[in-house]
Amino acid sequence: AQKVTQAQTEISVVEKEDVTLDCVYETRDTTYYLFWYKQPPSGELVFLIRRNSFDEQNEISGRYSWNFQKSTSSFNFTITASQVVDSAVYFCALSDFYGGATNKLIFGTGTLLAVQP
Amino acid sequence: GAGVSQSPSNKVTEKGKDVELRCDPISGHTALYWYRQSLGQGLEFLIYFQGNSAPDKSGLPSDRFSAERTGGSVSTLTIQRTQQEDSAVYLCASSRLGNIQYFGAGTRLSVL
Repeated sequence: AQKVTQAQTEISVVEKEDVTLDCVYETRDTTYYLFWYKQPPSGELVFLIRRNSFDEQNEISGRYSWNFQKSTSSFNFTITASQVVDSAVYFCALSDFYGGATNKLIFGTGTLLAVQP
Repeated sequence: GAGVSQSPSNKVTEKGKDVELRCDPISGHTALYWYRQSLGQGLEFLIYFQGNSAPDKSGLPSDRFSAERTGGSVSTLTIQRTQQEDSAVYLCASSRLGNIQYFGAGTRLSVL
């Protein structure tokens, strides 16, 4: 069965601090996708990143970076120099990859990040 | 271009009534998904459409829930005889086949 675990329920930091959100996944598939979505107070899920299981290269986009490690089944997300606008719930998700698949997203329970000014 | 549109944004209903929730996907997106977000269950998949057919309905919680999609575009999720446990935010997402899913703002359903 596929499962995503986000052990951190809530994190509170002060602006400009770095913060890492943890994500651990379980799947029997050898090929799969991993995602991060952001849900600000407005409620809409905003896509941040998708990685496929072939590619373990870390990725950086501005203040955001992602560390994918197949050996530990983890896909962690780091925000550098956090800002108040980063306050949101962040979801990690997993989907299948093969042709004909549903590609439905299996979500973790989310991490509420509060960035204090 | 326009994103995924859901209506109504909020719906309050009485227990036992039927409700219809609408999703208008991004133009050209053949895949459409319904998810439910509730305090107790988190974000969970309900149903997947490819075109007008639904090859995966595995997440629908009971036979009171049904969905259809017409013209490969708009989808309607219907909940019959609503119960209080149906109270949740219902999210719709669309994508090109096998691609990234983009979400609407959701419909917040409250069953009194």
